[in-house]
Amino acid sequence: DAKTTQPPSMDCAEGRAANLPCNHSTISGNEYVYWYRQIHSQGPQYIIHGLKNNETNEMASLIITEDRKSSTLILPHATLRDTAVYYCIVARGGSNYKLTFGKGTLLTVNP
Amino acid sequence: GAVVSQHPSRVICKSGTSVKIECRSLDFQATTMFWYRQFPKQSLMLMATSNEGSKATYEQGVEKDKFLINHASLTLSTLTVTSAHPEDSSFYICSAGGAAAGELFFGEGSRLTVL
Repeated sequence: DAKTTQPPSMDCAEGRAANLPCNHSTISGNEYVYWYRQIHSQGPQYIIHGLKNNETNEMASLIITEDRKSSTLILPHATLRDTAVYYCIVARGGSNYKLTFGKGTLLTVNP
Repeated sequence: GAVVSQHPSRVICKSGTSVKIECRSLDFQATTMFWYRQFPKQSLMLMATSNEGSKATYEQGVEKDKFLINHASLTLSTLTVTSAHPEDSSFYICSAGGAAAGELFFGEGSRLTVL
């Protein structure tokens, strides 16, 4: 699976949009971009995933560049409960795939 | 939505004893489940892939005789830490894929402390 690069930490003001970048320059054509987050001492939580097109769900939006070498996760109105480590993962799709976690980005939402 | 549940959430045991952790998919069947380990301030490390009805596949460096995995049904996988030592103290997390591709569900995690 392709490797990803994320900033180790970011801060965001409550109520503002949080934009989390991810570089995955070695992504291959059949690999998806997945985003998960982990709140302290809990299991990871799925956020969103995409292949080529931008995606949006009730939690976030995912913007993937045209060359697919990078992506941005957008939390439109960050709350204190969004403080977590966010992981960008590139992997092949399917219901029985394994994920390799990097170090992720610690997002701290400040009041 | 689909839920994966782990039990126990916390366990404290004496060195040398064995500890079993259960991972259940509550409203879907999972032919494959994954076991991760996470040390403090570190990321999740994949330990093994649990396959229903067959042997688990272990990642490089993970001792299969130390971490026994049993996936006897489509909704239950167990991880047994045998002869636990203090260095096995960690946060153990399981996951399983739902019916729809592209989404893995994770359990709440089990924190093991070996004294």
